[in-house]
Amino acid sequence: ETGVTQSPTHLIKTRGQQVTLRCSSQSGHNTVSWYQQALGQGPQFIFQYYREEENGRGNFPPRFSGLQFPNYSSELNVNALELDDSALYLCASSLAVIGGFSYEQYFGPGTRLTVT
Amino acid sequence: SQQGEEDPQALSIQEGENATMNCSYKTSINNLQWYRQNSGRGLVHLILIRSNEREKHSGRLRVTLDTSKKSSSLLITASRAADTASYFCATEDNYGQNFVFGPGTRLSVLP
Repeated sequence: ETGVTQSPTHLIKTRGQQVTLRCSSQSGHNTVSWYQQALGQGPQFIFQYYREEENGRGNFPPRFSGLQFPNYSSELNVNALELDDSALYLCASSLAVIGGFSYEQYFGPGTRLTVT
Repeated sequence: SQQGEEDPQALSIQEGENATMNCSYKTSINNLQWYRQNSGRGLVHLILIRSNEREKHSGRLRVTLDTSKKSSSLLITASRAADTASYFCATEDNYGQNFVFGPGTRLSVLP
């Protein structure tokens, strides 16, 4: 157990809908990153938030957006869902001094999103 | 294209044997990390090795980094059935703005 929690565990949505996934970071961690993992593949970096500001973004379109709150919990929002958005979504928190990835990341168990 | 590429894609060994997995990457990095994932669950951090380090150990794990060849290896000694999992390498770019995972090596340790 890492202390990072995600909700919901599973979710089924229809193409074109919007979805919000939530993550509660490990206590004291100021950096959260989100990843998309398709079946049988490695995770792909979506974006990172450090002290409530976006601090890096992978190759994902603007319909993927996020928020980090003062208590360091965070949300991933995806608009206009497409079938290819079906994946495991992982969040990870760390205590990075200036953001980035130079410290161990603690991953949550993930949210399995299915788009039909 | 992905920064990290693991080799082999799948590895099957007997309990007690050593397992070696390799990772290659394409651009300059700040650090390289190895993670383990059991059956589609969350990832667990194993080791972080910085670009100015050549080797690190943690228990039964040994990681090497060769920045001239842009490659790393993970050695698990005296493997156990509980080591059965997917193993991923991931690299942080020089700007700390991107973190790229490879496709992973699926390790099966047979009792």
